[in-house]
Amino acid sequence: GAGVSQSPSNKVTEKGKDVELRCDPISGHTALYWYRQRLGQGLEFLIYFQGNSAPDKSGLPSDRFSAERTGESVSTLTIQRTQQEDSAVYLCASSWGQGKMYTFGSGTRLTVV
Amino acid sequence: GIQVEQSPPDLILQEGANSTLRCNFSDSVNNLQWFHQNPWGQLINLFYIPSGTKQNGRLSATTVATERYSLLYISSSQTTDSGVYFCAGTTNDYKLSFGAGTTVTVRA
Repeated sequence: GAGVSQSPSNKVTEKGKDVELRCDPISGHTALYWYRQRLGQGLEFLIYFQGNSAPDKSGLPSDRFSAERTGESVSTLTIQRTQQEDSAVYLCASSWGQGKMYTFGSGTRLTVV
Repeated sequence: GIQVEQSPPDLILQEGANSTLRCNFSDSVNNLQWFHQNPWGQLINLFYIPSGTKQNGRLSATTVATERYSLLYISSSQTTDSGVYFCAGTTNDYKLSFGAGTTVTVRA
């Protein structure tokens, strides 16, 4: 697509429920990144995918977080047993090569109540 | 990752004023980028500027990689320039480390 598309744009969930966030990168972009932004904060790296290589999961805050990407297409970020501290905006970005110019999606605002 | 320090943390401008935002890095940085986050939360990439100077309309940026800093210049500011400006860079990998941002408010 023309830009990075994320869905849903907003998600309110009850504590303890699982949620799945989706990111559709720009066509042809081999690199895909997930970041988290808490209210009033900077961006925190979560996970990186590059083509068919093993992902870099070093930023995932706990084993409740996981992500998948098939080839160079859509990625899903799953948070199991959500906690209130998971409330944040989850941002996805893609680039044509690792570390190159990022294009961000509009984000998913997750609220855990 | 590297430490990224942005200054000033907050900036209030009268429409038409010029300003300079600064970004300092704790280590040599690659892939330096500047972003603008508008009041609706959308992050827009302003510059990919690992070194040198680039201009885009009223905005320009300069990176001096050997001295580990980058500057973003806003000239003739407009209310639409309001938002948070982030700089970010990588060292030897691909993970952008972000600064805490500079919040810019442009008043009419």
